[in-house]
Amino acid sequence: KQEVTQIPAALSVPEGENLVLNCSFTDSAIYNLQWFRQDPGKGLTSLLLIQSSQREQTSGRLNASLDKSSGRSTLYIAASQPGDSATYLCAVRVSGNTPLVFGKGTRLSVIA
Amino acid sequence: KAGVTQTPRYLIKTRGQQVTLSCSPISGHRSVSWYQQTPGQGLQFLFEYFSETQRNKGNFPGRFSGRQFSNSRSEMNVSTLELGDSALYLCASSLVGQGTDTQYFGPGTRLTVL
Repeated sequence: KQEVTQIPAALSVPEGENLVLNCSFTDSAIYNLQWFRQDPGKGLTSLLLIQSSQREQTSGRLNASLDKSSGRSTLYIAASQPGDSATYLCAVRVSGNTPLVFGKGTRLSVIA
Repeated sequence: KAGVTQTPRYLIKTRGQQVTLSCSPISGHRSVSWYQQTPGQGLQFLFEYFSETQRNKGNFPGRFSGRQFSNSRSEMNVSTLELGDSALYLCASSLVGQGTDTQYFGPGTRLTVL
């Protein structure tokens, strides 16, 4: 059974700092991995999707990497801003027709 | 293009009652998935519907059920509510719900069971 873990559960950083969020999964045989953002009281917004054959994806100040062999993914946020404060969730799809398996998320606070 | 809408946004029920939550997907999306989110367990998959058929089901008791209508709108029902059913229930829609398809989430329904 695939399990996804995100450490730390919470993180507080000063504005402008570069930071890395971690995600690990127990079974390296994945189809793809996604990073989502959740703002308080709101649903999830997809940030980046990495296919199993890819090593990284970039969108603006965000860069996500994938190392299937070690069962790890990282989300790098450059030059953090207070508006980046949210909970970031990692989710794995084991095969093309199975549902996403989510980690519990990392709650990020960027202090101005 | 309107996003995923969920109604109601907040709901308070008592133990033993039943509840129905509604989800309207983005126009053209045929897949609707439901998730339960709690502080202790995180996001857990409930079920997915595609073209009015349940395609995937998570590990939840039979008190949790759902359906999808011909216009892709979906409802989920929880019967005989328990205190532990208090959670944020999220609905997500996508074109076909598989592969690299992106899921778009609604704001959720916050259910409190007293």
